[in-house]
This record gives sequence, C-alpha cells and structure tokens, in this order.
Amino acid sequence: KAGVTQTPRYLIKTRGQQVTLSCSPISGHRSVSWYQQTPGQGLQFLFEYFSETQRNKGNFPGRFSGRQFSNSRSEMNVSTLELGDSALYLCASSLMAGYGYTFGSGTRLTVV
Amino acid sequence: AQSVTQPDIHITVSEGASLELRCNYSYGATPYLFWYVQSPGQGLQLLLKYFSGDTLVQGIKGFEAEFKRSQSSFNLRKPSVHWSDAAEYFCAVGTDSGNTPLVFGKGTRLSVIA
Repeated sequence: KAGVTQTPRYLIKTRGQQVTLSCSPISGHRSVSWYQQTPGQGLQFLFEYFSETQRNKGNFPGRFSGRQFSNSRSEMNVSTLELGDSALYLCASSLMAGYGYTFGSGTRLTVV
Repeated sequence: AQSVTQPDIHITVSEGASLELRCNYSYGATPYLFWYVQSPGQGLQLLLKYFSGDTLVQGIKGFEAEFKRSQSSFNLRKPSVHWSDAAEYFCAVGTDSGNTPLVFGKGTRLSVIA
C-alpha cells in the first residue's frame, strides 16, 4: 500500500513569508501528527489531527497551525517565518496516535 | 507526562561487532515503546515496538529490544552490525490510551567502521 506522502520535499522561503506543507496519510489512517526536527531540539511534537479535529497540540506559537480534511489529508501552515523555523517537518500517520506511526520522508524548510 | 532519555549521543562500532543502544523512559503506567531508525534526510522507519506480552521483541533488519520494567529501559540490540546500519536511532514512548502523541528521545547516532 502507498506510504505517507509529504509535499514538497524541499522549500526555501524568506523571513516573514508564510508556507503550507501537505501530508497524505496511509489509506484508512485517521490520525495525522506533525513533528519538527532540528539538530538542537530533536523531534518536537507540533499537533495531531484525528477525524478533522485537532486532538493534541504541542508547545509552539500560534504561527504554527494545521488542519485536516475529510479524506484525512492534512496541511500545516507557518506564518511570518523566522530563521529558527528552518527544520525538517515530518508527518506521521497512524490508526491511533500512541500506537506507533508511519512517517513520511519529510519537508525540508529553509528560511533565509 | 512521559519522557525518554537516550544517554548516548554518538556510538561508533566496528562492522561485525555487537550493538546495544540504551533507552530509558519515564511513565507511570504501562508504556508503549518504539525504536525508529532515520537515514540522513529521510523520515523515520519503525524497527520494532512493544505493547505487552513477551518482553523481548524482534524487529526488522535483525534488531531486537528488551523491555525491563524494573529498570525502565528498552534497549536495542543487534548481534552483528553491518555498515548499512549507520544511521540515527530514536526511542519513543506512547501510552495505552492510544490518543496521546509519541514522545521521542534525542536520538543516538551510530557510526560503523570497517
């Protein structure tokens, strides 16, 4: 079966711009979680959506937002980009968060 | 809330040698435990998981891990390392409620030398 698809793979944005990342989960998976990965902080949880509802949220500023559509596809948006937002953003899908994830290959965001 | 500690930031082993990566967790109830591996620039791949039952779990690529409740540990082992095992390894803990996100350790980078 198809895996988790994240688009785009790479992005370069300028400080102050906004960006939208997309994630298509494995068919049948209703939970989509987003993580930010940086060398200094490791994997940090952003948020989780389950059946179009945000069920869990990490400790990130309001500039980070997301949504999930009825087909379980999810998007995350970062507004007013800062240099520190440069990271690998990973999407993970699962039947239920906490039971283990299947990760996408990630979107590498570089803010200049 | 749960937490995970991976004490070793970087480990170097010789090809063919055995490997053990350490993971300690903190969680009041029965944890769900996972090991993932990440190659450079890629997402994370699940190696193995423990939910309940036999405390020694087998995973892909010849890896195994042992859950020791008394030590709050879930160490990953492999009897003979291959050069292709060089990667970053992450331990993660979840809860049996199923609706809380996984918490990951900071990772251990494995280098393999000839």
